[in-house]
Amino acid sequence: DADVTQTPRNRITKTGKRIMLECSQTKGHDRMYWYRQDPGLGLRLIYYSFDVKDINKGEISDGYSVSRQAQAKFSLSLESAIPNQTALYFCATSDKIKQGRDEQFFGPGTRLTVL
Amino acid sequence: AQSVTQLDSQVPVFEEAPVELRCNYSSSVSVYLFWYVQYPNQGLQLLLKYLSGSTLVKGINGFEAEFNKSQTSFHLRKPSVHISDTAEYFCAVSEFPGNTPLVFGKGTRLSVIA
Repeated sequence: DADVTQTPRNRITKTGKRIMLECSQTKGHDRMYWYRQDPGLGLRLIYYSFDVKDINKGEISDGYSVSRQAQAKFSLSLESAIPNQTALYFCATSDKIKQGRDEQFFGPGTRLTVL
Repeated sequence: AQSVTQLDSQVPVFEEAPVELRCNYSSSVSVYLFWYVQYPNQGLQLLLKYLSGSTLVKGINGFEAEFNKSQTSFHLRKPSVHISDTAEYFCAVSEFPGNTPLVFGKGTRLSVIA
């Protein structure tokens, strides 16, 4: 089984709808991240969490919110989806003890289309 | 705050030719450097990383990168590419001691031509 899973893998929705993307991990990592990927823009950080009680905004948090329900679960919500939120969304985890010396492990991604 | 510049957005190369993907970073403190690869319709996976020590780092699939502190670069190289190397490659940086998230470059799309 994959260490970092994301659901759903694909989602098509309409403008104004509320959407939740979920991420679960079995790596035992404290740190979790949400990114979006757009062609030519690379990966941009939306939110990150260094432990269950720690939530931080990233580069592009406007229009998004997150919830860290447990060490293993980190959800991303779009309160009112708009077409320019159409993108590929990735969840990632990393080890708190190793801090920046360790890699981030990525989920398979969720392709979101907002019509 | 740290930043990463990948100088080429697309690199076409013939099969069995060498390739270099360029990455420059900006930071006021010591850094950790990473190269990730994203194959079509997949997530990112680590190719290699530089933490300290030898400036030449070897990774998976025959890739290597060299850390050059004076030029603030971390270029990725492979002496002979295969069709299966077609993918997008991302350079990323983390600052010592590692309490801030990775910052990614915008990516370089490597296309290997038969």
